[in-house]
Amino acid sequence: QVHLVQSGADVKKPGASVKVSCNASGYTFTGYYIHWVRQAPGQGLQWMGWINPNSGGTNYAQQFQGRVTMTRDTSISTAYMELSRLRSDDTAVYYCAKAPRGAATDYFDYWGQGTLVTVSS
Amino acid sequence: EIVMTQSPATLSVSPGERATLSCRASQSVSSNLAWYQQRPGQAPRLLIYGANTRATGIPARFSGSGSGTEFTLTISSLQSEDFAIYYCQQYNKWPPALTFGGGTKVEIQ
Repeated sequence: QVHLVQSGADVKKPGASVKVSCNASGYTFTGYYIHWVRQAPGQGLQWMGWINPNSGGTNYAQQFQGRVTMTRDTSISTAYMELSRLRSDDTAVYYCAKAPRGAATDYFDYWGQGTLVTVSS
Repeated sequence: EIVMTQSPATLSVSPGERATLSCRASQSVSSNLAWYQQRPGQAPRLLIYGANTRATGIPARFSGSGSGTEFTLTISSLQSEDFAIYYCQQYNKWPPALTFGGGTKVEIQ
């Protein structure tokens, strides 16, 4: 069965960076895009971008370009999302999600459990 | 980017009743539309993809319809576990930016 297990909650100061991991199991990691979606407290879902675990290619949502970096380590089936120059409004739960069809623009059939990142001085 | 608008923001329904949720796209997304359910403290769960195809394990009381710019999620007879927030998401190939609707909260009347 497919599982996406994310790293634990983190607290950062404004201006710092955070790196969230997403360990995949139960399927061929390099065969399916991984996306990152965030949800601020009490708010809706916001797509951040994707990584192709096979090639390492990425595509970021415009509002995050220049601040987000998505990488992967195929040897341990893990994807990473690093967000820099953190602000208080980056406080959110960050989810990784798997796309089911090997395409970049897709829906999400499996989600990680979410990682709460709190930005506070 | 394609803007997704969901209505109503909140829907008050009694158990056993039917719920109808709407999602509108700012431009055609063909049938590239998914619905998710999110319960408090949980990650979203895929309900519907391709506008009308139920995901694995999703009960038949959930159905999706529509194409182009207008979509509907119907829950035929609400169960206690269905009270949650529902999001639509478009995954059209162009522009290559995925977007979600703002969500509809289905609450107990």
